[in-house]
Amino acid sequence: DAGITQSPRHKVTETGTPVTLRCHQTENHRYMYWYRQDPGHGLRLIHYSYGVKDTDKGEVSDGYSVSRSKTEDFLLTLESATSSQTSVYFCAISESLGGNEKLFFGSGTQLSVL
Amino acid sequence: GENVEQHPSTLSVQEGDSAVIKCTYSDSASNYFPWYKQELGKRPQLIIDIRSNVGEKKDQRIAVTLNKTAKHFSLHITETQPEDSAVYFCAASKSTGTASKLTFGTGTRLQVTL
Repeated sequence: DAGITQSPRHKVTETGTPVTLRCHQTENHRYMYWYRQDPGHGLRLIHYSYGVKDTDKGEVSDGYSVSRSKTEDFLLTLESATSSQTSVYFCAISESLGGNEKLFFGSGTQLSVL
Repeated sequence: GENVEQHPSTLSVQEGDSAVIKCTYSDSASNYFPWYKQELGKRPQLIIDIRSNVGEKKDQRIAVTLNKTAKHFSLHITETQPEDSAVYFCAASKSTGTASKLTFGTGTRLQVTL
């Protein structure tokens, strides 16, 4: 599982509340990513990180922010959750040495915004 | 940005038959093309990938072909087995030596029937 842990695994929240999802890795990978998965859309990149405090936007970043204060942790925050953010969220890492395009995913977080 | 289209969205084959899933991409600069398999309720997992300097790659019963001129690539599964039933995603990216910003197709649900 490439040492990736996502928490929580499931969350139900109400519209307008803040939500933070956590991704934790144990193998010192430089690159970390947040994707969301929705039927009919595949996997879409929200934000990614290329080092501590170094992050950038993906294709669907509106309504999301991220932080990476330590190599091992990458947090995804929904400042004010909306029903359109109901989705399965996957964290991923890529290898730091050679062939760094290969993504390895965490187990996912099912988020429901009511 | 890159756009990846994937067909068909669903595919049903009998055990032992072959399955082919096709993807097209829009950015001629893309040079890395992985395929991921996602079993029900599980994380996506890399099953095979190909780079633009190679036209075909095989790994046991699975193979991927790439036509750079036409900007399409395909996944071929031979002698299908029930455990091949899953959703398959193609993806594309430009390998820049930094973060892997994959653009995914919308997925193909493969059902292998007995």
